[in-house]
Amino acid sequence: RKEVEQDPGPFNVPEGATVAFNCTYSNSASQSFFWYRQDCRKEPKLLMSVYSSGNEDGRFTAQLNRASQYISLLIRDSKLSDSATYLCVVTHTGGFKTIFGAGTRLFVKA
Amino acid sequence: ETGVTQTPRHLVMGMTNKKSLKCEQHLGHNAMYWYKQSAKKPLELMFVYSLEERVENNSVPSRFSPECPNSSHLFLHLHTLQPEDSALYLCASSQDRGDRVNTEAFFGQGTRLTVV
Repeated sequence: RKEVEQDPGPFNVPEGATVAFNCTYSNSASQSFFWYRQDCRKEPKLLMSVYSSGNEDGRFTAQLNRASQYISLLIRDSKLSDSATYLCVVTHTGGFKTIFGAGTRLFVKA
Repeated sequence: ETGVTQTPRHLVMGMTNKKSLKCEQHLGHNAMYWYKQSAKKPLELMFVYSLEERVENNSVPSRFSPECPNSSHLFLHLHTLQPEDSALYLCASSQDRGDRVNTEAFFGQGTRLTVV
């Protein structure tokens, strides 16, 4: 079993749609959680951190469920520019272990 | 100026060549990383340095040799690579808060390496 698992997609949604991604992690000692965005042939960029209480940044909402060991990302009112790969990232102690999920591809169409 | 700068952006090398990738971070971070991203594969952590000491090496072949002379610079020395080593090599940095938990990482634009 992979340490971090994501549905690879692709998710094809129309503009204005709401789309949600889930990510599960296997290490219960995981400490920090992030969502990154990676555009084609570019480097990953931090989209948002994920806090236990859940957090929102504009159209993006991230949530963490430690009991079930998953994090989620909700995108409301999708824009064409949201088309990218979304990477779930989990870190835990012991050697600065940072694990990236394989990513979920999102295509937003006009 | 970007926070993390990598050079070169593109590199083509033969299997008998020796080359080095360079990374420089301007964010005042104390931890730096090398990642490999092959086509259609997830990011693979190769090396981690914190306070210029290597913290983790994920069983990377010895043909990849990292060097971290100070907290702002990181090199990846390459020799006798194989065609399957062709990939995007990404450098990243973050701040170690002292509790050994990673803060978010900031990436350079990567070096796209092709081994022929």
